[in-house]
Amino acid sequence: DAGVIQSPRHEVTEMGQEVTLRCKPISGHDYLFWYRQTMMRGLELLIYFNNNVPIDDSGMPEDRFSAKMPNASFSTLKIQPSEPRDSAVYFCASSLTSRLVADEQYFGPGTRLTVT
Amino acid sequence: GQNIDQPTEMTATEGAIVQINCTYQTSGFNGLFWYQQHAGEAPTFLSYNVLDGLEEKGRFSSFLSRSKGYSYLLLKELQMKDSASYLCAVPGGGNKLTFGTGTQLKVEL
Repeated sequence: DAGVIQSPRHEVTEMGQEVTLRCKPISGHDYLFWYRQTMMRGLELLIYFNNNVPIDDSGMPEDRFSAKMPNASFSTLKIQPSEPRDSAVYFCASSLTSRLVADEQYFGPGTRLTVT
Repeated sequence: GQNIDQPTEMTATEGAIVQINCTYQTSGFNGLFWYQQHAGEAPTFLSYNVLDGLEEKGRFSSFLSRSKGYSYLLLKELQMKDSASYLCAVPGGGNKLTFGTGTQLKVEL
């Protein structure tokens, strides 16, 4: 399997612009997670989906952030308008329900976002 | 909610053994994960403990004590390539994970 695929790998944009990050989970996985990682705050969960349905978006920082999962093989995270404090590495991860309690997550390579 | 505490950084010598500790507080325990993250790369799964005791996997072992809210990752025969950040994480229900801030391990000659 190709693993979790994210695009773009790097994104540099100006403040106020719209940014769209894309993710293709591992085929057959039923959970998809979006994380943000910064030096100051570490790895934070933004939102996650189960069978394409958003389950918990309590980590989404503001209304400027939105995420969709129109089908089992694609998800987007959108920031509109972007601000310099959104600069971070954004990871997508997926997992497959196999245990009763919790399952390991497989991470994509990440998108490094810089907002100037 | 979950609260996780790990040392920020550690330094060890190639060939040695190092223990990375993690303490946690969580409402409802569903196991504990360890992930490894090399600089500029994504986190990768190392281990999962749900029962007390030591689980060994090659050079890496992970220990859990649920009564003490404590885990450690033991790395033996350290190699330079083991220089990375090590994150412990606890599930919060619905398969979501809360990660600690990570322990940056530097392996020196």
